[in-house]
Amino acid sequence: DVKVTQSSRYLVKRTGEKVFLECVQDMDHENMFWYRQDPGLGLRLIYFSYDVKMKEKGDIPEGYSVSREKKERFSLILESASTNQTSMYLCASTTGAQANYGYTFGSGTRLTVV
Amino acid sequence: GENVEQHPSTLSVQEGDSAVIKCTYSDSASNYFPWYKQELGKGPQLIIDIRSNVGEKKDQRIAVTLNKTAKHFSLHITETQPEDSAVYFCAALPSGGGADGLTFGKGTHLIIQP
Repeated sequence: DVKVTQSSRYLVKRTGEKVFLECVQDMDHENMFWYRQDPGLGLRLIYFSYDVKMKEKGDIPEGYSVSREKKERFSLILESASTNQTSMYLCASTTGAQANYGYTFGSGTRLTVV
Repeated sequence: GENVEQHPSTLSVQEGDSAVIKCTYSDSASNYFPWYKQELGKGPQLIIDIRSNVGEKKDQRIAVTLNKTAKHFSLHITETQPEDSAVYFCAALPSGGGADGLTFGKGTHLIIQP
């Protein structure tokens, strides 16, 4: 089974801190995604990557950046955490040039910014 | 870009009854429609998907139907059980690959009443 592992289940950070969320997948998938999930808003795409060193902005990239130095790892960076970035963050990966084989999600990281 | 609407936001059914969740999409070029189930504290998991060249797909108690003309697709769960309680998300993928991947509905919280 494909596994997508997110390094932390729960994180509490202070306003202004630089925050790193890590995601690792073990099935050589090309495409990786970061979403945030908020009640009533569903899953919103922050950034995605379809290859090493490649990154593309999603629908809500402001305040975030990403890094993909190795194929299996996709990191989400909050440059200066703010309280409105308190949310559940989900990482996903998939194979196929057209991403139509279904995503595998990690278990999520619940981030609280105080 | 693609827009996916999902209804209802909350659905409560008696154990043993059927549940139906409906989604509409805006991009007529979309050709892949997965459904995800998210249990409490976990990431979403793919439960069934359908491609635009078929109208219906079944897997035991769950089925998905697709009406391309009307641009809507539905998830049907029969003989509901307590373990079906979860949040369900529909999604659509444009035929161009949607380099930014799937567009998700906002989710339906399904509650199975004993």
